[in-house]
Order: sequence, then structure tokens, then C-alpha cells
Amino acid sequence: GNSVTQMEGPVTLSEEAFLTINCTYTATGYPSLFWYVQYPGEGLQLLLKATKADDKGSNKGFEATYRKETTSFHLEKGSVQVSDSAVYFCAPYLPWGQLTFGSGTQLTVLP
Amino acid sequence: GAVVSQHPSRVICKSGTSVKIECRSLDFQATTMFWYRQFPKKSLMLMATSNEGSKATYEQGVEKDKFLINHASLTLSTLTVTSAHPEDSSFYICSAARQGYYEQYFGPGTRLTVT
Repeated sequence: GNSVTQMEGPVTLSEEAFLTINCTYTATGYPSLFWYVQYPGEGLQLLLKATKADDKGSNKGFEATYRKETTSFHLEKGSVQVSDSAVYFCAPYLPWGQLTFGSGTQLTVLP
Repeated sequence: GAVVSQHPSRVICKSGTSVKIECRSLDFQATTMFWYRQFPKKSLMLMATSNEGSKATYEQGVEKDKFLINHASLTLSTLTVTSAHPEDSSFYICSAARQGYYEQYFGPGTRLTVT
């Protein structure tokens, strides 16, 4: 089955700082990899995804690269904004299997 | 496209009563819908998977008689929390997937408070 280990939070950064949230996974096959974001009081939104090795997902300035050799999918952003404050979830998925969520990383960006 | 709505967004009910939460796919047909529960500062826990027209598949430890799931149409699934207790208070999130696709689209969640 799938499992995922995500960087513990909370993470507090100043605006324009560089962000990395680590995510590693275990899977018996080759999962698709997702990052979801949850803004306060809301449900989850898909932030970005990658479906095969070496794919880079990107959206809203966030990026993550599917690293098969290290089974990682770390989330990065070069310059965070206050509006990026949210909880971020890493989630591997095997087709027709179960979407497995990491524990979530709370990010707070201070002005 | 791929919008999922939930209703109500917030509900407060008294202990012992039942409450129904609706999950709708607004612009696509969802052959599979998922129900998650999220505790404060915790990850999402999958409660059950429902396929249109068939019985839901519950995850281990989830009481199917307490959390009734119905997926009667390709755009609607309901979760009924029966005989609710304060420990059922939580944030319930649904998601939906198109036939043949694995990507899930999430609803905005329902905050249930049982007094």
C-alpha cells in the first residue's frame, strides 16, 4: 500500500522567503503524486500534480518534481506571499487505489 | 469545470439526532464519491468510498450503521450521521471522481458540531 511522510509543521516564514516542504512516499507501484492546499475553513484544492518520474508539476509559483530514485515530491516556492498561508498535503495515488494523505504542513507567512 | 459542492457548510445538531450532508458534482458525472473526516490539525481520514448505484465500501473502524452513505445518482451522494454524539463533531469533506479517472475533486467541507 501507499504511505507518505511529510515535513512536520508548523512552518512560519516572512513574505518573499523561500519555501520547501518535504514529502517522501512508499508505494508498491508508480503512483501519481499530488499536492493539495487547504485554506482556513475550506476544503482541499489541487495545487499541482505529477504523473510520472521526472515530471515537474507547477502552479501559482509552486513547483514539485517527481523523483523516483529518492521517492520524493518536495514542494517549493521561491517567494511566498501572505496569501499562501494554508495547510499543504502531499498525496500519492495508485490508479484505482486509495488517495493517501500526508499529515499536512501548516504554513504561516508573515508580512 | 469539476466543481463539487457540499450542503450544509455548517450544521449544529443536538446529541441523539441525525444529520444529513449532501455532496454534489455540479458539472460532471461522478461515478465514485469519497467521504473523508478531518480532525483539528490532522490529516484527512477516508471513511468510505461509494460507487453510484451500489453499496458504499467502508474503511476499517468506520461504523456503517452510524455513517449511512447513499449514492443514488451520478451527481449526488449523501452522508447521514445517525444518533449523533459530541465525538462525531468534525469537518466532513467529500470528493468526486469521473468514471475512468482517478483525480478527485473536493467539496468545500461541512463543519458538524454536536451539542
